[in-house]
Formats: sequence, C-alpha cells, structure tokens
Amino acid sequence: GDSVTQMEGPVTLSEEAFLTINCTYTATGYPSLFWYVQYPGEGLQLLLKATKADDKGSNKGFEATYRKETTSFHLEKGSVQVSDSAVYFCALSDPNTGNQFYFGTGTSLTVIP
Amino acid sequence: GAVVSQHPSWVICKSGTSVKIECRSLDFQATTMFWYRQFPKQSLMLMATSNEGSKATYEQGVEKDKFLINHASLTLSTLTVTSAHPEDSSFYICSARLTGRVTQYFGPGTRLLVL
Repeated sequence: GDSVTQMEGPVTLSEEAFLTINCTYTATGYPSLFWYVQYPGEGLQLLLKATKADDKGSNKGFEATYRKETTSFHLEKGSVQVSDSAVYFCALSDPNTGNQFYFGTGTSLTVIP
Repeated sequence: GAVVSQHPSWVICKSGTSVKIECRSLDFQATTMFWYRQFPKQSLMLMATSNEGSKATYEQGVEKDKFLINHASLTLSTLTVTSAHPEDSSFYICSARLTGRVTQYFGPGTRLLVL
C-alpha cells in the first residue's frame, strides 16, 4: 500500500543553517507530493507541492524536487530562520486510491538564534 | 484563496454530551471534505471522507455512530462527537478539496477536551 517515510526528529538548527528533511514514498500509481507545515496549536498549511516527476516545488525559500527514480521528495532550505520552527509533514496523494492523502509522521524543527 | 475555517477553535465539555464542529470552505466550493484526528506529537489520522450530498465514508476502526458527519452543502461539513468521553479528547482537523483538484486545504483545527 501507499506510505510516506519521513526523517525522524526533532531537528535543532542554528539560525542561517542549511535544512534538509528527508522524505521517501511508496505508491501504486503516480502520486502528487506535498509538504505541509504546522505551527504550534494550528492546522496544516500547504508549503509546496509537485505533481509529476522532476517537478520542483518552492515557497518561502523552501524547495523540494520530485525524484521518481529514488521515490523521494526531500525538503531543503538554504538558510533557516527562527520563524521556521514548526512541524513539517510530507504527504502524497495517489489517484489510484481516490487521491486519499498519506502523511508522514512529521518532523519537528526548532531553530535557535 | 482556498481558506478553510473551523468552529469552534476549542471546546471543553462534560462526559456524555455531544459536540458539533463546523468546517467551512470560505472562498471555494468543496465537493469533498475530510476529517482528521491528531494526537499530541503525532501525524494526522484520517477519520472519514465526506462528499456533499452523500453519506460519509469512514476509515476502518472509526465508529460512524459516534462521529456523525454531515456535508449538506458545498461549503460546509459538520462533525458531531456524540456522547463524548475523555478518550475522545483530541485535536480535530478538517480539510477541503476543490472540485476536480488534488490539493487539500486544511482548517486551523478544533481542540476538544472532554472532562
């Protein structure tokens, strides 16, 4: 079945450090891939997405590239800020399962000044 | 665009009472809405998929008689937790999907505490 495996946290970085959060997936079809961010006490906000292989999603300095050959969608940011502290969820939507979402377990990021 | 609201944002109730949570798509029509439950420091667990004008589809292990879902319009879905008990305390999040699209847009969540 479909699944998303996400790098376990928590991750603690200093401000301006480089961020990578790994995400790999298993899917029966050709999924769309997403990164969502959840700030404390809030719902999920769409950060970026990619709908086909080799697509790069980007937003607010974050990037992720849909790699079909490695079934990965790693999240990166060149220079993190304190305001990036949140929980990040990788997710896929598979048309073979009615576009149901499958979420990773989430990775907590704390950025210290 | 694609804003989803939830009401209330938090609720405290006594054991045995029922609680209704509303999920609204504010600036788009959503044929399909989803209800999730999130435990502390965990991922989201899909409870049910709600399609406008039809019965909700519940995930395995979710009691349909306990978690009543109604999706009466293209902009509103409600989740009613009936005869709530302390173990129902959780963070409930809804999402909505534009007709014909894949991306889900999430509400801010409702925190339920049952005493």
